[in-house]
Amino acid sequence: DGGITQSPKYLFRKEGQNVTLSCEQNLNHDAMYWYRQDPGQGLRLIYYSQIVNDFQKGDIAEGYSVSREKKESFPLTVTSAQKNPTAFYLCASTPLLGQEVNTGELFFGEGSRLTVL
Amino acid sequence: AQRVTQPEKLLSVFKGAPVELKCNYSYSGSPELFWYVQYSRQRLQLLLRHISRESIKGFTADLNKGETSFHLKKPFAQEEDSAMYYCALRRDTGRRALTFGSGTRLQVQP
Repeated sequence: DGGITQSPKYLFRKEGQNVTLSCEQNLNHDAMYWYRQDPGQGLRLIYYSQIVNDFQKGDIAEGYSVSREKKESFPLTVTSAQKNPTAFYLCASTPLLGQEVNTGELFFGEGSRLTVL
Repeated sequence: AQRVTQPEKLLSVFKGAPVELKCNYSYSGSPELFWYVQYSRQRLQLLLRHISRESIKGFTADLNKGETSFHLKKPFAQEEDSAMYYCALRRDTGRRALTFGSGTRLQVQP
């Protein structure tokens, strides 16, 4: 079953703790993204990566970190420096621009809901 | 920087009524515009792209560069259209990640 898998679906964290959200894809996509979804604010870009071992900050990168050691995986760490981490986090992927299959469509995971207690 | 604005948080219509979900953008280049939809308990998914100029599930959207708008329209709403709709923009240069609007929840009442 191809697609993007995010885990865990629900996560609770105490203040001051770091937490890592997993995102794995088997679509052979080069580009991967992390968005944060808050009510009334839509989706805001946290980090993105277009190729292994390379990633760029999005609009709200402060308090977050990522790695891209494998094409299939793009984990997001929410650090204790993130002031308001309670949110719904979405991972997405797409073929790299320039490839014929790239239509601009993002393929999304089911999301991870993080709650800070 | 680019920006996408969806002025309505909630749009409520009756079944069979026309629907127009508004989307305005600000960007100095030639963007690509998209509409994404999230049905209850489902993943966010692409509804349509301005480049393809197609109708999906009866929805259409025309890019109006003069008014910098990309409104989503459907002549006769169905109850199954009830969902969260997001307008998104992709730049033609520089950062190519999608920029999303704040979303509009469409409620189609019977």
